[in-house]
Amino acid sequence: DTAVSQTPKYLVTQMGNDKSIKCEQNLGHDTMYWYKQDSKKFLKIMFSYNNKELIINETVPNRFSPKSPDKAHLNLHINSLELGDSAVYFCASSPGLEPNNEQFFGPGTRLTVL
Amino acid sequence: GNSVTQMEGPVTLSEEAFLTINCTYTATGYPSLFWYVQYPGEGLQLLLKATKADDKGSNKGFEATYRKETTSFHLEKGSVQVSDSAVYFCALVERGGNKLTFGTGTQLKVEL
Repeated sequence: DTAVSQTPKYLVTQMGNDKSIKCEQNLGHDTMYWYKQDSKKFLKIMFSYNNKELIINETVPNRFSPKSPDKAHLNLHINSLELGDSAVYFCASSPGLEPNNEQFFGPGTRLTVL
Repeated sequence: GNSVTQMEGPVTLSEEAFLTINCTYTATGYPSLFWYVQYPGEGLQLLLKATKADDKGSNKGFEATYRKETTSFHLEKGSVQVSDSAVYFCALVERGGNKLTFGTGTQLKVEL
């Protein structure tokens, strides 16, 4: 049973295209996140949603638009892709907003923009 | 703002060697501290955590102690195995928040 799943695992696309990454968790968690990991492995939070409500938006360009149709899903849509968007994107979830909660990560989506 | 500083990698050790990966932090108040591990091709997994000063987190032979005086949370293991080869991330969540701030990660390679 996959706790946090992401699709696709790999995504190769041209500059200027629009693409989406999907994330689903079957843990019954209330809170979901998107992180970006660059080529040097540095991880930075992008967004956080709690019960479908946006909680954190870390100065991400508005080409990135998260959408949470229900609390088990948090999808990431990216418009007008740029070379600098190439990275591994991780979805994560946690039971709620409590600071000590463990976050459970998906396997990642490697996005390559050509 | 909050920040986490980790030692640069990669760290290469022989099997059964002693491991220390240094981590220091800057935060307002007393954050919760975490070590996450990323095995090749996978997402991150929580390795251990500590939520207040002098707490020791431990799991799978790894330990880290929350040191308020030195604002540190160094990761240690007495005898590493090849299967411990991974990238290790130190992270914090500030008191009252839920946003993880990560260090840059330290790659560990364990050889036979």
